[in-house]
Amino acid sequence: DAKTTQPPSMDCAEGRAANLPCNHSTISGNEYVYWYRQIHSQGPQYIIHGLKNNETNEMASLIITEDRKSSTLILPHATLRDTAVYYCIVRGPYSSASKIIFGSGTRLSIRP
Amino acid sequence: DSGVTQTPKHLITATGQRVTLRCSPRSGDLSVYWYQQSLDQGLQFLIQYYNGEERAKGNILERFSAQQFPDLHSELNLSSLELGDSALYFCASSVVGTGSTDTQYFGPGTRLTVL
Repeated sequence: DAKTTQPPSMDCAEGRAANLPCNHSTISGNEYVYWYRQIHSQGPQYIIHGLKNNETNEMASLIITEDRKSSTLILPHATLRDTAVYYCIVRGPYSSASKIIFGSGTRLSIRP
Repeated sequence: DSGVTQTPKHLITATGQRVTLRCSPRSGDLSVYWYQQSLDQGLQFLIQYYNGEERAKGNILERFSAQQFPDLHSELNLSSLELGDSALYFCASSVVGTGSTDTQYFGPGTRLTVL
């Protein structure tokens, strides 16, 4: 599965949109981009995933570039509760679970 | 609340001991995954079961073993414990364990402390 690169940390003002980038330049045509987040030491929480079209749900939006080599997770109105480590993962539909790499993620801090 | 339950929440034990961590998947999920997260480290995949059968294995130590029972709950057994085994252990579940829309949902974790 393709590897991902994320900035180690970011911060954002409360109420503003938080845009978290992820590079996945070696992504294959059938691989999906998934985002999870982990608040403090809680279990990771699924946020969203997509293949090539932009996706939106009640938590966030996922923007995938046309060449699919990078993506951005957007939290439209960040709150203090969005402070967490965000993981971008690339996986194929039939990838072994052993190939799913969470990596170091981006530590997002929301400032009041 | 993801619907995945893990017990116990905290576990403190001594080196050389053996412990069992338990996981109940979401209703309807057939696949269970186990992960280890040491202090300030990323999630390390240990093992996956699907409907009672081992599906995938990560860097799981020989001292560790797991199984999934007919009612689909899973147990992770850790033996001959060492100080370095102190970590958070997460269980996740998904419907079938493969496919583009198969999403893992994580439990709250078990914090293991080996003294």
